[in-house]
Amino acid sequence: DAGVTQSPTHLIKTRGQQVTLRCSPISGHKSVSWYQQVLGQGPQFIFQYYEKEERGRGNFPDRFSARQFPNYSSELNVNALLLGDSALYLCASSFRTQATEAFFGQGTRLTVV
Amino acid sequence: AQSVTQPDIHITVSEGASLELRCNYSYGATPYLFWYVQSPGQGLQLLLKYFSGDTLVQGIKGFEAEFKRSQSSFNLRKPSVHWSDAAEYFCAVGAGEYGNKLVFGAGTILRVKS
Repeated sequence: DAGVTQSPTHLIKTRGQQVTLRCSPISGHKSVSWYQQVLGQGPQFIFQYYEKEERGRGNFPDRFSARQFPNYSSELNVNALLLGDSALYLCASSFRTQATEAFFGQGTRLTVV
Repeated sequence: AQSVTQPDIHITVSEGASLELRCNYSYGATPYLFWYVQSPGQGLQLLLKYFSGDTLVQGIKGFEAEFKRSQSSFNLRKPSVHWSDAAEYFCAVGAGEYGNKLVFGAGTILRVKS
């Protein structure tokens, strides 16, 4: 069975640009969460979606947005990129809303120059 | 607010020696607690979790952790470390209205010397 897949694996963007990151959850999982991991720190919660509805939002500016599609895949969008947005963006999927068994993808490494 | 503290940024142990990684949490109710491992450039792999019941939980790769409510701790242990265990380890607590977000500690980098 395929695990959580994220694309792209790496990308480089310029300050002020916009970026879209994609995540496909494990088959049968209905919840997708996004985390930002800055180098040297633990991951920080950005969003959770369950059945296409937002169920949680972390302390991130409105430049960050996300959505979930009918097939439960998800996109994370970041507008007006700042240097500080450079990080590993992790997607996690779980069957329910609770983080009882969250499985993480390999992440997307975003570098803003 | 919920928080997780991992007091040790780096730990170095000899191959075959025992290991204990410390984790302290701040949470009002009975917490959901997790340990994840991350190899360089990789995502997170769940080692073990605690929700309720037996306070000593077994995980994959020979790891175990003990929940101690009186000390607000959830330390990770392994009796004999292998070189392949070198990685970064994160303790996390489930938080939010549905327990639907993980609050992570800053991580502990484990180095294994042969």
